[in-house]
Amino acid sequence: DVKVTQSSRYLVKRTGEKVFLECVQDMDHENMFWYRQDPGLGLRLIYFSYDVKMKEKGDIPEGYSVSREKKERFSLILESASTNQTSMYLCASSLFGTGGYGGYTFGSGTRLTVV
Amino acid sequence: DQQVKQNSPSLSVQEGRISILNCDYTNSMFDYFLWYKKYPAEGPTFLISISSIKDKNEDGRFTVFLNKSAKHLSLHIVPSQPGDSAVYFCAASADTNAGKSTFGDGTTLTVKP
Repeated sequence: DVKVTQSSRYLVKRTGEKVFLECVQDMDHENMFWYRQDPGLGLRLIYFSYDVKMKEKGDIPEGYSVSREKKERFSLILESASTNQTSMYLCASSLFGTGGYGGYTFGSGTRLTVV
Repeated sequence: DQQVKQNSPSLSVQEGRISILNCDYTNSMFDYFLWYKKYPAEGPTFLISISSIKDKNEDGRFTVFLNKSAKHLSLHIVPSQPGDSAVYFCAASADTNAGKSTFGDGTTLTVKP
């Protein structure tokens, strides 16, 4: 069974901390994505990556960075956590270029609370 | 500017009846459309998709209809079951975006026994 694994289900961090959210996929997918889900706002794309060491900004990249040193791992970094980054973070991967054919495979999500 | 909209935040239907979830988009470059289903405390799972060259795609109880001229798609679930109760997200992508999907806000479907 193919999987996208997010390292933490729940995290509580303090304002100003540097936060790392880890995502690993075992499907040899080229494309990986980070979304955040907020009530009334749906899923919004933060960053995505087509290949190792490659990254592209999504719709809301401010306050975030990413790292893709290995094909299977895509990390989201909150450089200095703020309370408005409290959210559900979802990692996803896909094999085909459009991210459409067959859809994404999502992880279970990380619920981050910044206090 | 929200390019994919699901105007109904919630929908409640009786078990056995039809559920119709709607989605509108504004970007004419979108050429592939998907529906995802999400249960609480889980990530979304891919449900069904449709290419812009089609107007209908069916998979068991789930059918997606696409009206390109109206920039509208809908998901029909027949018959609805209590296990279908979840949040449904509509998503769209374009080849020019090479891998990026834009999601709607989601519609919470409740199927009552």
